[in-house]
Amino acid sequence: KAGVTQTPRYLIKTRGQQVTLSCSPISGHRSVSWYQQTPGQGLQFLFEYFSETQRNKGNFPGRFSGRQFSNSRSEMNVSTLELGDSALYLCASSLDGTYGYTFGSGTRLTVV
Amino acid sequence: GQQLNQSPQSMFIQEGEDVSMNCTSSSIFNTWLWYKQDPGEGPVLLIALYKAGELTSNGRLTAQFGITRKDSFLNISASIPSDVGIYFCAGQLGNAGNMLTFGGGTRLMVKP
Repeated sequence: KAGVTQTPRYLIKTRGQQVTLSCSPISGHRSVSWYQQTPGQGLQFLFEYFSETQRNKGNFPGRFSGRQFSNSRSEMNVSTLELGDSALYLCASSLDGTYGYTFGSGTRLTVV
Repeated sequence: GQQLNQSPQSMFIQEGEDVSMNCTSSSIFNTWLWYKQDPGEGPVLLIALYKAGELTSNGRLTAQFGITRKDSFLNISASIPSDVGIYFCAGQLGNAGNMLTFGGGTRLMVKP
């Protein structure tokens, strides 16, 4: 079956702009989580959605937001981009969020 | 953010050797996961552990969930060049939608 699909794979944005990243989970998976990966901080949890509701949120500023649609696809948005937002953004899906997650290949965001 | 203590940070080994890495935490987890990440890709789940004391194998990989629920180790037997990559441990409390807390990673390099 198809894995977790993230689009786009690469993105270059200018400081101050906003960006939207997309994630399509594995068919049947209703839980979608987002992580930020940087060399300095490693993998950090952003938020998790299940059935269109945010269940958990990590320690990130309000500029980072997300949503989930009725088909379980999810988007995350970062507004007023800063240079420090440059990172690999990973989406992961799970049946219900309890038994491990399958990750997508990520979106590499570069803020210049 | 919080991370698990994963060691070693990097390993340079001879092809055919066995490898061992571990993760420790000051907090207990109900699930331990081991992932491998190749350059430019998302982490791939190798082994999932759901019960304290559990020992699970996946081919040449063996992982154990520590009795105290605060640690886990991963062994790779008879390493081969395609084992190169970064290995991450992750802990999850187990509540639905609860975030994964990741270790800092072990970079494995194999000499042919």
